[in-house]
Amino acid sequence: KAGVTQTPRYLIKTRGQQVTLSCSPISGHRSVSWYQQTPGQGLQFLFEYFSETQRNKGNFPGRFSGRQFSNSRSEMNVSTLELGDSALYLCASSDTGGGYGYTFGSGTRLTVV
Amino acid sequence: EDQVTQSPEALRLQEGESSSLNCSYTVSGLRGLFWYRQDPGKGPEFLFTLYSAGEEKEKERLKATLTKKESFLHITAPKPEDSATYLCAATLGSNYQLIWGAGTKLIIKP
Repeated sequence: KAGVTQTPRYLIKTRGQQVTLSCSPISGHRSVSWYQQTPGQGLQFLFEYFSETQRNKGNFPGRFSGRQFSNSRSEMNVSTLELGDSALYLCASSDTGGGYGYTFGSGTRLTVV
Repeated sequence: EDQVTQSPEALRLQEGESSSLNCSYTVSGLRGLFWYRQDPGKGPEFLFTLYSAGEEKEKERLKATLTKKESFLHITAPKPEDSATYLCAATLGSNYQLIWGAGTKLIIKP
């Protein structure tokens, strides 16, 4: 079966701009979680969506937001980009969520200049 | 504070030289301990889930074990293709978040 698809794979944005990242989960999976990965901080949890509802949220500022559509596809938006937002953004899909049965996408590499 | 700590940060081994990676955790109400493998430019790939102290799971050259305070990932007679960053994570009883360690970068030299 098809894996988790994240688009785009690479992005370069300027400080102050906003960006939208997309994640298409494995067919039938209802949970999508988003993570930020940087060399210094490792994997940091952003939020989890389950059946279109945000079920949990990490400790990130309100500039980071997300949503999930009825087909389980999810988007993540970052407004007013800062240099420190440069990172690999990963999404993980699972049937039940809660950290179980994660399948990760290959990520979107965001560079803010 | 709930925390997951991995050691060492990096480990270089010769092909065939067995060793262990450590993941210690201080979390309340552990529901599961997970091991993932991550190759450069890719997302983490699931390896194992452990639920209770004393549990062990194996896959090819890898074996994961769990005690009340730590987990070990034993790698037996590794090959160069086992080179990757190995991540562990814990999920708590109180919410659905995973708490991740910083990873161990494993390099196997032929």
